[in-house]
Amino acid sequence: GDSVTQMEGPVTLSEEAFLTINCTYTATGYPSLFWYVQYPGEGLQLLLKATKADDKGSNKGFEATYRKETTSFHLEKGSVQVSDSAVYFCALSKESGANSKLTFGKGITLSVRP
Amino acid sequence: ETGVTQSPTHLIKTRGQQVTLRCSSQSGHNTVSWYQQALGQGPQFIFQYYREEENGRGNFPPRFSGLQFPNYSSELNVNALELDDSALYLCASSSPGEETQYFGPGTRLLVL
Repeated sequence: GDSVTQMEGPVTLSEEAFLTINCTYTATGYPSLFWYVQYPGEGLQLLLKATKADDKGSNKGFEATYRKETTSFHLEKGSVQVSDSAVYFCALSKESGANSKLTFGKGITLSVRP
Repeated sequence: ETGVTQSPTHLIKTRGQQVTLRCSSQSGHNTVSWYQQALGQGPQFIFQYYREEENGRGNFPPRFSGLQFPNYSSELNVNALELDDSALYLCASSSPGEETQYFGPGTRLLVL
C-alpha cells in the first residue's frame, strides 16, 4: 500500500538556521504531495502542496519540490524563526474530491531556539 | 468564509461507553473525512463521507461509524470505547474535484 516516510526527529535549530526535513513516499500512479503543519494544541494546517512531478510548492518561506525520480518531497526553509516551532507532516493523496484520502508520515517536531 | 469546526474540543469517557463527535464542513465543501491521531503519530484515515454515503474506509473496526447530513456536516460515533481509542480526532473537508483537505482543530478524546 501507499506510505510516507519522514526522517526521525526531533529537530532543534537556532533562529535563522537553514532547515531541511526529508520525506519520501511509496505509491503507485501519480500522487499529489502535501506538507501540513500542526502548532501546539491545534489541528493541521496546509503549508504547501505539489500535484505533479517537478512542481515546487511554496508558502511562508518554505519550499518543497516533487521529485518523482527519487520519490521525495523534502521541505526546506532558508532561515527559520521561533514561530516555526511545530510538528510537520508529509502526506500524499492519489485522488481528488470524493476519494481524496490522505496518507501521512509520522511527523517531525521542530523546535527553534532564539 | 467559516472554516471547519468540531465539537466538543475535549472529552473524557470510560471504557465501554459510546461517544459522538461532530464536525461542520467548510462552506462549499461536500466531502468530509475523519482521521484518528494517536499521541506522537501521524493521522490515520478512518472514513470519508460524500453525499451522505460512506465513501471509503480505513483499517478501523465497525464500532467506528459515521453520518453525513444534508448540510454536509458529519458525526463520528464510536461504540464500546477502548483505552486505545484515546486520541485526537480530526475532521477534514474538501470541495468537488479538489485533493486538498482542510482540517478542523480536532476533538481530544481520553478513555479511562
